[in-house]
Amino acid sequence: GAGVSQSPSNKVTEKGKDVELRCDPISGHTALYWYRQSLGQGLEFLIYFQGNSAPDKSGLPSDRFSAERTGGSVSTLTIQRTQQEDSAVYLCAEGNNEQFFGPGTRLTVL
Amino acid sequence: AQKITQTQPGMFVQEKEAVTLDCTYDTSDQSYGLFWYKQPSSGEMIFLIYQGSYDEQNATEGRYSLNFQKARKSANLVISASQLGDSAMYFCAMREGRRGYNKLIFGAGTRLAVHP
Repeated sequence: GAGVSQSPSNKVTEKGKDVELRCDPISGHTALYWYRQSLGQGLEFLIYFQGNSAPDKSGLPSDRFSAERTGGSVSTLTIQRTQQEDSAVYLCAEGNNEQFFGPGTRLTVL
Repeated sequence: AQKITQTQPGMFVQEKEAVTLDCTYDTSDQSYGLFWYKQPSSGEMIFLIYQGSYDEQNATEGRYSLNFQKARKSANLVISASQLGDSAMYFCAMREGRRGYNKLIFGAGTRLAVHP
């Protein structure tokens, strides 16, 4: 994707642990989005940011999921007490119309 | 009801031929946007083409064109002169509401295989 980096690229964790996923957009768009893609599925919207505010958190699947964005740039998605069903690729995107995606973080919960 | 429907789980095409990937959508909004993304086996999501609901002309980007039929609520992707590198998953997506800060709703995708 144009200007979006994500880290780590892969994360393996044990059930019950907390994980933090990072998105670092470069292009300076004010809108930033998180999606997740389970194996063989389409993308599922999680949350979007306009600047540092999150006007739409409707896709977060449970209160174990939270996200923040600071300085209108870097965003972190935190999953507490991970469960096996959280295993997926987590994708970050930026853009005010067309959305440009990062390479994703593949999360595996054992 | 599904907002974005891609009825073809898999398609194959001979190299250099054209292929159409189907997408139908459901919205009550008058203002919306339609997008196509390509996802190769590497996993990255690559933006291909965009069509706004008020755009009178079908969008084109190189070998990609979007066959927009508003009354039928369809937004099919046409790839001309297929290349081996076109083999990938293709996702249709919709933004409801006016252009701006809106989430995308994705279809389930179509896997395209281009044969030599």
